[in-house]
Amino acid sequence: GENVEQHPSTLSVQEGDSAVIKCTYSDSASNYFPWYKQELGKRPQLIIDIRSNVGEKKDQRIAVTLNKTAKHFSLHITETQPEDSAVYFCAAPHNNAGNMLTFGGGTRLMVKP
Amino acid sequence: EPEVTQTPSHQVTQMGQEVILRCVPISNHLYFYWYRQILGQKVEFLVSFYNNEISEKSEIFDDQFSVERPDGSNFTLKIRSTKLEDSAMYFCASNEDRANTEAFFGQGTRLTVV
Repeated sequence: GENVEQHPSTLSVQEGDSAVIKCTYSDSASNYFPWYKQELGKRPQLIIDIRSNVGEKKDQRIAVTLNKTAKHFSLHITETQPEDSAVYFCAAPHNNAGNMLTFGGGTRLMVKP
Repeated sequence: EPEVTQTPSHQVTQMGQEVILRCVPISNHLYFYWYRQILGQKVEFLVSFYNNEISEKSEIFDDQFSVERPDGSNFTLKIRSTKLEDSAMYFCASNEDRANTEAFFGQGTRLTVV
């Protein structure tokens, strides 16, 4: 199975600053790494994902980097806004059989206006 | 945009009672999942379902749990005899292709066992 560790558990930034959340995984065969955003009381929603054939992917203010050798991947949010405040979860395939996901412990991001 | 829908949104039940949580996955999706999230904690995988059978389950998914696809659209999670520690948000999810594609989550059912 997969073990996913996520840091930090809480992150407070000033509006406009960048935020970085890091995850490590244990199964070197894992090849798909999604990031989910969960607002209070709502469902997890995919914000970006990366597959192991690339090292970086960007979508406007959000980027994800992947280091397969070190088995870690990171979420980068630039120019943070108050609406970015939420809990962010990284995930990796449970046993590389697809989308049975093992989630990290979550990072509560607070963006102060 | 198609979405996974779950009912009810909130279920309160007495300890020892049976509950059935219902989900309607996105219509062209083939893989279905149940996840659980205890308040303030991470999302945990329970079970996956494909081709009318369980394809994988976690240690949490013990004999008290069962899943079923009783017709062409619904996907249900049954907890036979609820315990206090079953209180959590239960999310159904689905995706169209097992090979590294986005899992779409429903809005969740908050189960409270009293």
